[in-house]
Amino acid sequence: GIQVEQSPPDLILQEGANSTLRCNFSDSVNNLQWFHQNPWGQLINLFYIPSGTKQNGRLSATTVATERYSLLYISSSQTTDSGVYFCAVDLLFSGGYNKLIFGAGTRLAVHP
Amino acid sequence: KAGVTQTPRYLIKTRGQQVTLSCSPISGHRSVSWYQQTPGQGLQFLFEYFSETQRNKGNFPGRFSGRQFSNSRSEMNVSTLELGDSALYLCASSQGGVLSYNEQFFGPGTRLTVL
Repeated sequence: GIQVEQSPPDLILQEGANSTLRCNFSDSVNNLQWFHQNPWGQLINLFYIPSGTKQNGRLSATTVATERYSLLYISSSQTTDSGVYFCAVDLLFSGGYNKLIFGAGTRLAVHP
Repeated sequence: KAGVTQTPRYLIKTRGQQVTLSCSPISGHRSVSWYQQTPGQGLQFLFEYFSETQRNKGNFPGRFSGRQFSNSRSEMNVSTLELGDSALYLCASSQGGVLSYNEQFFGPGTRLTVL
């Protein structure tokens, strides 16, 4: 089956630092989403980005579908950015829809 | 628009019991998907419903079942609970059409503890 790999698994930053999270996937996809999971378990939508580049405030994301990877950039990190970041993909030829395959996540800790 | 809602938020059950979890999607969304999150296995897809029909199913035993009602609300049921069923169960909704924009939005989850 499809493999979704996220790196790094853990990341520790000082407030104000920038970071790049990576998501590699092994098959063609028709959906790629980035989520932030807060301490209460809620998955917060960051980006719906099957291809191209998007920006939302201090966050931006780029997906290069032909090379099967996506990057999430966090600039000027804040303590509230702490949590787990997940990449999830929906296969182009999965035979179905809305079946997100998640990576293992990147656990980010931002210290003041 | 109101977001995805899930009830109950917390549940404690004992082995052998059964449990029913409920999910109300965003208004206008017709697809509801269910996921299980555990520390060992991460986030795993359970099943997806669209217009009251199961379109997709993950690799879970038959003890896990679900259904969707005509108003798109969905329930999932786990029978004969095992200790390993302790998890955060997340529901997601999307528009669901084949050619439509299918961003998934998640509810707050139901945290199930099996004793």
